[in-house]
Amino acid sequence: GNSVTQMEGPVTLSEEAFLTINCTYTATGYPSLFWYVQYPGEGLQLLLKATKADDKGSNKGFEATYRKETTSFHLEKGSVQVSDSAVYFCALSGWNNYGQNFVFGPGTRLSVLP
Amino acid sequence: DAGVIQSPRHEVTEMGQEVTLRCKPISGHDYLFWYRQTMMRGLELLIYFNNNVPIDDSGMPEDRFSAKMPNASFSTLKIQPSEPRDSAVYFCASRTGTPNTGELFFGEGSRLTVL
Repeated sequence: GNSVTQMEGPVTLSEEAFLTINCTYTATGYPSLFWYVQYPGEGLQLLLKATKADDKGSNKGFEATYRKETTSFHLEKGSVQVSDSAVYFCALSGWNNYGQNFVFGPGTRLSVLP
Repeated sequence: DAGVIQSPRHEVTEMGQEVTLRCKPISGHDYLFWYRQTMMRGLELLIYFNNNVPIDDSGMPEDRFSAKMPNASFSTLKIQPSEPRDSAVYFCASRTGTPNTGELFFGEGSRLTVL
């Protein structure tokens, strides 16, 4: 079935450091890929998405490229801020035996220190 | 447009009591999902509906949990009887099914504490 694997962390970085959170997936067909962010006490909100191979999603300085050859969708940011501290979830939208489904990875907690 | 609306935001109850969580999806969305989030198990899919019909309920923990979607604008998740291990944040989310590239929109969650 469809699945998403991501580094579980926690990840602790200093402000202005480079961030990479790895995400790989298993899916039949051509899924869409997403990164969600959850700030403390809030629901999940979409950070960025890519709907086909080689697409790059970007938002708020974060980027991720849909790599079909490596089945990956790694999240990157060149210079993190304290306000980026949150939990990040990689996810895919695809198909299973029941129809459409939406699968999340376990989440990666990021802490950015001033 | 209003987002996904969940109620109550917080619920504290005693073991053995019935709990009902409510969700109003975004108008026009034909998929609705219920998730549970805990520190130990992370984000778990409980059940999802397409056009008000339950499609996959394999994530529902046991018979104490039930979910309904009587119409396109309302869904409930019921726990009867509740137990302390049901304490979690329960999220409702919705999306459109066409195309398959649309994202999931989440509500703010219902935090349940069972004493």
